[in-house]
Amino acid sequence: DAMVIQNPRYQVTQFGKPVTLSCSQTLNHNVMYWYQQKSSQAPKLLFHYYDKDFNNEADTPDNFQSRRPNTSFCFLDIRSPGLGDAAMYLCATSRVGGTQYFGPGTRLLVL
Amino acid sequence: GIQVEQSPPDLILQEGANSTLRCNFSDSVNNLQWFHQNPWGQLINLFYIPSGTKQNGRLSATTVATERYSLLYISSSQTTDSGVYFCAVGSNDYKLSFGAGTTVTVRA
Repeated sequence: DAMVIQNPRYQVTQFGKPVTLSCSQTLNHNVMYWYQQKSSQAPKLLFHYYDKDFNNEADTPDNFQSRRPNTSFCFLDIRSPGLGDAAMYLCATSRVGGTQYFGPGTRLLVL
Repeated sequence: GIQVEQSPPDLILQEGANSTLRCNFSDSVNNLQWFHQNPWGQLINLFYIPSGTKQNGRLSATTVATERYSLLYISSSQTTDSGVYFCAVGSNDYKLSFGAGTTVTVRA
């Protein structure tokens, strides 16, 4: 089945230690998104790629970076995680203007 | 950005009951989706419905774009329907703005 896959499902890191989350898709969609969702809140868009074109939300902290080496993969890098970055990170894909499909998420814990 | 309001914030149902969730939005949209977030955190797409009416099993949705609202109907609710339901809207080709969600609890 075509799908969006996120690894790992759970990630524990130390305060200030860089961490990378990964997302892959078999849907061949040209748009990929990263969202942050904190407890009891709605998902918040961090950035998206249209093919290789990177689009950052204005309020996304500089601590968050992303890479998309090819159509299928996208990575979220958190350079120096703080306690406030503990959250669920959701990857989604879509065709332009179409339905967004979400992966299962990576739950990040910062100690 | 577009403001999205969902109501009610919480809903407790007895198994078998019907319910209606509402989503109001502040501007014209060309994308509207309803999602169900299960207890493990995954967002499942229910409907892509910027206008009109759709049905999928016990769920149906209606969007009246000219009046800027959408409704999600759950009929004959089951315990597996529990979770948070999000409405998300967009006016360009990419960004979705999410409402705060409706938390549904279905009791056996």
